[in-house]
Amino acid sequence: QKEVEQNSGPLSVPEGAIASLNCTYSDRGSQSFFWYRQYSGKSPELIMFIYSNGDKEDGRFTAQLNKASQYVSLLIRDSQPSDSATYLCAVEGGGTSYGKLTFGQGTILTVHP
Amino acid sequence: GAGVSQSPRYKVAKRGQDVALRCDPISGHVSLFWYQQALGQGPEFLTYFQNEAQLDKSGLPSDRFFAERPEGSVSTLKIQRTQQEDSAVYLCASSLLAGDNEQFFGPGTRLTVL
Repeated sequence: QKEVEQNSGPLSVPEGAIASLNCTYSDRGSQSFFWYRQYSGKSPELIMFIYSNGDKEDGRFTAQLNKASQYVSLLIRDSQPSDSATYLCAVEGGGTSYGKLTFGQGTILTVHP
Repeated sequence: GAGVSQSPRYKVAKRGQDVALRCDPISGHVSLFWYQQALGQGPEFLTYFQNEAQLDKSGLPSDRFFAERPEGSVSTLKIQRTQQEDSAVYLCASSLLAGDNEQFFGPGTRLTVL
């Protein structure tokens, strides 16, 4: 079992819809959770991070964390074609204090006009 | 200010050759990470530096991989006797402090081993 698992997709949604991206992780000691966006051929860029159970909203993005279920998700409201990218879930843990990240394989999102 | 830069952006090596990949982190950033990203996969941790100290090299796949950051700024990832399975994008990331929320990634070096 991988430490961080994502559905590789592709996930296809129409413009204006809500895109829902999911991630599960195996290390119960994990404390911090991140969503990165990666356009094809580009480097990952941070969208959001979340530490506490519940929801965290930033503009069109909402991250949701459920530590009991070891589950983290990202909702993208009013999806735009420019949101089409690979979304990487990352978990900080492994007993380190310096931010070592374990990534999932990424979910490819396509927003079609 | 400038972001994280990496060079070369693309490298083609014949199997058995040694390669050296360079990372220039954001000025003043204490933490520096190297990740390896295979096609269609997420980045995988290779090694971590805090200033010049290599605190974690648990992700280096073999003793052919070596990384250094002698003056606490620029870092070099060296791969000796390259193999085809080393073909990947090598990403460098830096953060201001140890344990900072955000790691800033460089554009990566795409290594192809023939």
